[in-house]
Amino acid sequence: KAGVTQTPRYLIKTRGQQVTLSCSPISGHRSVSWYQQTPGQGLQFLFEYFSETQRNKGNFPGRFSGRQFSNSRSEMNVSTLELGDSALYLCASSLGGPSGKDNEQFFGPGTRLTVL
Amino acid sequence: KQEVTQIPAALSVPEGENLVLNCSFTDSAIYNLQWFRQDPGKGLTSLLLIQSSQREQTSGRLNASLDKSSGRSTLYIAASQPGDSATYLCAVMTTDSWGKLQFGAGTQVVVTP
Repeated sequence: KAGVTQTPRYLIKTRGQQVTLSCSPISGHRSVSWYQQTPGQGLQFLFEYFSETQRNKGNFPGRFSGRQFSNSRSEMNVSTLELGDSALYLCASSLGGPSGKDNEQFFGPGTRLTVL
Repeated sequence: KQEVTQIPAALSVPEGENLVLNCSFTDSAIYNLQWFRQDPGKGLTSLLLIQSSQREQTSGRLNASLDKSSGRSTLYIAASQPGDSATYLCAVMTTDSWGKLQFGAGTQVVVTP
C-alpha cells in the first residue's frame, strides 16, 4: 500500500501571500489530521477531517483552514502568510473508526514552508 | 488540558546498550498512545501503538509499556545500533479529541559506534 503523500515538498513564499498544501491519505483511510512542527513549539495540532467534516480543531488563527474531498484527500490553506508560519507541515491519516487501533496515525514526509 | 512530557531531552549511548525512553501524561483518559521516530528533516515513522486497554506492545527490538494510572509510558530499545539514532516522540490521543495527537517534545538519541 502506498503511504501518505504530501505535495509540494518544499515551498518558498513571501509575507502576505497565501499557500495551499495537499495531502493524499493511505488508501481506505478516511481521517486526515494536520500538524505544524517548529523548533520552538514542537508538533502542534491544526485540525482533523473525517468524511469531509472537520471534527476537531487546534488553537490556530482563522488564517489556517482546511478541507477534505470525497476521495479523502485533504488540503490546508494559509492566507496572509507571516514569518512565523515558516514550519514543517505534516499530515497524517488513519482509518478513523471507533477503536484505538483504527486511530493509529501514519504520517507523510511533510511540506517545508519558508516565508520570507 | 493534556500535557505530555518526555525525559530526558537527549541521550547518548554506546552501541549495544539498551535504551530506555520515558513519557508522562497528565490526563489518564487516553484513547491510545503512539511512539514515533523522526529523522532530521523527515516525517514521523510510527513505531508502536498501545491502545488504552493494553499494558504493552512489542515489535522486534522495541517494547513499549503503558501505565494509565500513573500516567506513564516507557519505550525500551534492546541492543541499540547506530541506525537507531533519531528523535523519538510519544503522543497521546484523549477520548474527547478525535484525530488529535498531543505530542511530547521528544528525546534525541545518539548511538555511538
